[in-house]
Amino acid sequence: AQRVTQPEKLLSVFKGAPVELKCNYSYSGSPELFWYVQYSRQRLQLLLRHISRESIKGFTADLNKGETSFHLKKPFAQEEDSAMYYCALFSGGYNKLIFGAGTRLAVHP
Amino acid sequence: NAGVTQTPKFQVLKTGQSMTLQCAQDMNHNSMYWYRQDPGMGLRLIYYSASEGTTDKGEVPNGYNVSRLNKREFSLRLESAAPSQTSVYFCASSDPGGTEGNQPQHFGDGTRLSIL
Repeated sequence: AQRVTQPEKLLSVFKGAPVELKCNYSYSGSPELFWYVQYSRQRLQLLLRHISRESIKGFTADLNKGETSFHLKKPFAQEEDSAMYYCALFSGGYNKLIFGAGTRLAVHP
Repeated sequence: NAGVTQTPKFQVLKTGQSMTLQCAQDMNHNSMYWYRQDPGMGLRLIYYSASEGTTDKGEVPNGYNVSRLNKREFSLRLESAAPSQTSVYFCASSDPGGTEGNQPQHFGDGTRLSIL
């Protein structure tokens, strides 16, 4: 079954601390994964997609097929990073996405 | 460009009432989607439309109907609202199979729907 698991509902860190938001997936085939971010009461925005291998707002994510993971990392968290983060898996066919439950990142001063 | 526009932004209904949520996109995307967002469950796909004139069920279609009115517009209808349908509803669009391969979805601002 195709599935995305984000094991942490809430991740609370202090400003300047490293951040790692976990994402594991289940998919038979070559996965295509995304991270979306939703700031307070705003629309979801694409943060990263694994095929582009970009670093957006200091965040990076590497696909690890052996561990079936796509963890989101940032070396030094900022208060403006506080948001809801969703990992999503392209499920094939018309760009349908399967979302994880989301992790709320709270960065404290 | 406005991107994906949803109306209304907020709505309160009584159980049994009907309502249509509107969505329009100005990016000339072929595919459109409706999701519901519930705490602890992420976003779940209700219906999607791969192209104008086609619609298909997603993960949680029961209690909903959709209409792809034209390439720009994709509406979601609740025929007889139930408290379990209290949620935030997001519309999205994308252009799968474009020149850069599968494209990410672009989302609207959402509609907060409360059913009493």
